[in-house]
Amino acid sequence: GAVVSQHPSWVICKSGTSVKIECRSLDFQATTMFWYRQFPKQSLMLMATSNEGSKATYEQGVEKDKFLINHASLTLSTLTVTSAHPEDSSFYICSAEGGFATDTQYFGPGTRLTVL
Amino acid sequence: AQSVAQPEDQVNVAEGNPLTVKCTYSVSGNPYLFWYVQYPNRGLQFLLKYITGDNLVKGSYGFEAEFNKSQTSFHLKKPSALVSDSALYFCAVRRLNSNSGYALNFGKGTSLLVTP
Repeated sequence: GAVVSQHPSWVICKSGTSVKIECRSLDFQATTMFWYRQFPKQSLMLMATSNEGSKATYEQGVEKDKFLINHASLTLSTLTVTSAHPEDSSFYICSAEGGFATDTQYFGPGTRLTVL
Repeated sequence: AQSVAQPEDQVNVAEGNPLTVKCTYSVSGNPYLFWYVQYPNRGLQFLLKYITGDNLVKGSYGFEAEFNKSQTSFHLKKPSALVSDSALYFCAVRRLNSNSGYALNFGKGTSLLVTP
């Protein structure tokens, strides 16, 4: 139980384009989803928290117009990196909690974004 | 502020020997503490958590952790290490989030290397 998927697992895009990453909870209803960014050999940095049906809450220093988050249903959240630049290249990981997975975040496998 | 510290960047242990990955916490109130493991280019996998109750928590893959209030520690342990346990381990503590929910504060991570 408590399986979270992410798609795509990796993506390469050109500078200036937008990229959408999907995060799905496969066997539970995720009332809350989280988006993290991880740099090589470093810990996870929380970017934003989203509750189903409401606007995401962004951490200080994260540009909400650049990293658009939508949590339209209890099983799906999306992160869109708009007008991507090489400095946006990173490993993006989502997590979810809710339903029987209360009090514990379960993580997706991550998405490697490379912006050329 | 709720925080955890992982004092070791790397832990080396021989296969078959017991392993310990250290974590200390600094919280106000009762802590919710977690351990996660990350394999290369993958998301985080939940190992175990302490919320309340028995100080010895048993988790996945034979791991366990002991909550020690007097030493403010939550060390991860395994009686007999496997080469396949080699990975990056994160300790985390739950904190209040700006959207009135909860988020996780992670330690910097400890790289565990188990040699044959």
